[in-house]
Amino acid sequence: GNSVTQMEGPVTLSEEAFLTINCTYTATGYPSLFWYVQYPGEGLQLLLKATKADDKGSNKGFEATYRKETTSFHLEKGSVQVSDSAVYFCALGGVTGANSKLTFGKGITLSVRP
Amino acid sequence: GAVVSQHPSWVICKSGTSVKIECRSLDFQATTMFWYRQFPKQSLMLMATSNEGSKATYEQGVEKDKFLINHASLTLSTLTVTSAHPEDSSFYICSARDGAGVLETQYFGPGTRLLVL
Repeated sequence: GNSVTQMEGPVTLSEEAFLTINCTYTATGYPSLFWYVQYPGEGLQLLLKATKADDKGSNKGFEATYRKETTSFHLEKGSVQVSDSAVYFCALGGVTGANSKLTFGKGITLSVRP
Repeated sequence: GAVVSQHPSWVICKSGTSVKIECRSLDFQATTMFWYRQFPKQSLMLMATSNEGSKATYEQGVEKDKFLINHASLTLSTLTVTSAHPEDSSFYICSARDGAGVLETQYFGPGTRLLVL
């Protein structure tokens, strides 16, 4: 079955530091890949997505590239801000129909210090 | 953007009582809604998928008689935890899919924290 593995957390960085959060997956077929973010007290929000190999999703300075050869979708940001402090979830899913369910990783908490 | 609300945001109840949680899509029609459960420091676990006007599809290991799901309209789904027990204490999150476009994004509610005493 499908599964998503995220690096262990939590992660604490200083403002303006470089961020990498690792995510690898196991799936049948050709899933879409997502990063969701959950800010304190709020619901999950879609941060970025990629639907096929070599696609790069980007949003708010975050980027992730769909790497089929390494089954990875690592999240990166060149310079984090205090406002990026949140929980980040990697997820995979199909496009429509029976494959449209999302499978989530465990999530990782990011804390950014001023 | 699309907004999904949940009510209540938290609830405390006595063991043996039933609790209803509402999930609403505020500015779009949700053909499909999902219910998740999240334990502390754990991932989101999909409990069931509900389509408007039809019975919910439950994931393996989820008791459908324990967790009743109703999706009576395109903007409202409810999850009722029947005869709740302390082990049902958890964070319940719903999401809604608008069914538009090739890739149907799920929009998540803020979650409902349930504590059963």
